Amino acid sequence: QKEVEQNSGPLSVPEGAIASLNCTYSDRGSQSFFWYRQYSGKSPELIMFIYSNGDKEDGRFTAQLNKASQYVSLLIRDSQPSDSATYLCAVTAGANSKLTFGKGITLSVRP
Amino acid sequence: DTEVTQTPKHLVMGMTNKKSLKCEQHMGHRAMYWYKQKAKKPPELMFVYSYEKLSINESVPSRFSPECPNSSLLNLHLHALQPEDSALYLCASSQRGKGTNEKLFFGSGTQLSVL
Repeated sequence: QKEVEQNSGPLSVPEGAIASLNCTYSDRGSQSFFWYRQYSGKSPELIMFIYSNGDKEDGRFTAQLNKASQYVSLLIRDSQPSDSATYLCAVTAGANSKLTFGKGITLSVRP
Repeated sequence: DTEVTQTPKHLVMGMTNKKSLKCEQHMGHRAMYWYKQKAKKPPELMFVYSYEKLSINESVPSRFSPECPNSSLLNLHLHALQPEDSALYLCASSQRGKGTNEKLFFGSGTQLSVL
């Protein structure tokens, strides 16, 4: 059973702080890692993807991947109230593997 | 704005009704998906069409029936649904449907209520 685990949350941070969202996965063969943001009542939106160990930055977002420790994280710098949403971690393994989602964590950014 | 278009956005149906959800993508993708999402849960994969070949999640009941008229269109036919089928139904597409690094792009979803 391939599993993707996220802290149940919710996570609350003040405006301007760094929000750190963590995700672990069980399948060592996992190769592709995605973060989706989902506002309440809306559909998931892809905001970051990472395939190699290390950090990947895009604006205020940084994805971090450590395959040896089997975790992937998302950092949101200078958090804004508009970042308040549920963040879903998703992972694929081999070529014929489908996307496995974590349960998601709800982030609340306090003004 | 998403390039995956779903209709209708909201649907209320009785348990004896037959209805269809529609999805169209304009990105030239060759894989399309139906997901079901209950409140505060992650999306669950129901069906995948990749190069017009269907893959089924065997736990999906037969009252859900997918149809893929061409690589840009995907329908989900609903018949004799149960109240527990009430959920957000998400259509998604990706470039090939196989291989790593496939990114999923979701439509805005259909919020379905079964009475």
